[in-house]
Amino acid sequence: GNSVTQMEGPVTLSEEAFLTINCTYTATGYPSLFWYVQYPGEGLQLLLKATKADDKGSNKGFEATYRKETTSFHLEKGSVQVSDSAVYFCALRRGSSNTGKLIFGQGTTLQVKP
Amino acid sequence: GAVVSQHPSRVICKSGTSVKIECRSLDFQATTMFWYRQFPKKSLMLMATSNEGSKATYEQGVEKDKFLINHASLTLSTLTVTSAHPEDSSFYICSASLQETQYFGPGTRLLVL
Repeated sequence: GNSVTQMEGPVTLSEEAFLTINCTYTATGYPSLFWYVQYPGEGLQLLLKATKADDKGSNKGFEATYRKETTSFHLEKGSVQVSDSAVYFCALRRGSSNTGKLIFGQGTTLQVKP
Repeated sequence: GAVVSQHPSRVICKSGTSVKIECRSLDFQATTMFWYRQFPKKSLMLMATSNEGSKATYEQGVEKDKFLINHASLTLSTLTVTSAHPEDSSFYICSASLQETQYFGPGTRLLVL
């Protein structure tokens, strides 16, 4: 079946450190891949996405590249800020755009200290 | 744009009562909405897919008679937890699809006493 696995958290970093949150997936066919972020007390927001192999999604300094050969979509940021503290979810979607279900990883909590 | 709201944001109810949660797409129309449940420190679990004008599609293991979903218009879907019990206490989140992206509501915290 389809599944998403993220690295265990929490991840604690100092401000301006480099961030990597690992995400690997299992799926048949060619899923679309997403990173969502959930700030404390809020709903999920789409951070970035990639719809085919070798695509790179980027937003707000975050990047992730769709690697089909390693079935991975690792999230990276060169210099984190305190305001990046949140829970990050990796997700995949198969099927058509509006009706395809999202399958989420377990979430990784990021804590950035000043 | 693409804002999804939920109401209420939190609700406390007595065991055995029913609770209705609303999900609205404020600035777009959504033929498909999704309902998720999120346990503490756990991922989101898809409960059902709500389709405007038709019956919802429930995920395996989700009781359709307990979690009633109605999608009566292109901007509103409701989730009713019937005869709620303490084990139904959770964070319920909805999303609405627009142009290949799901936009999420802020969630509703349900506590059943």
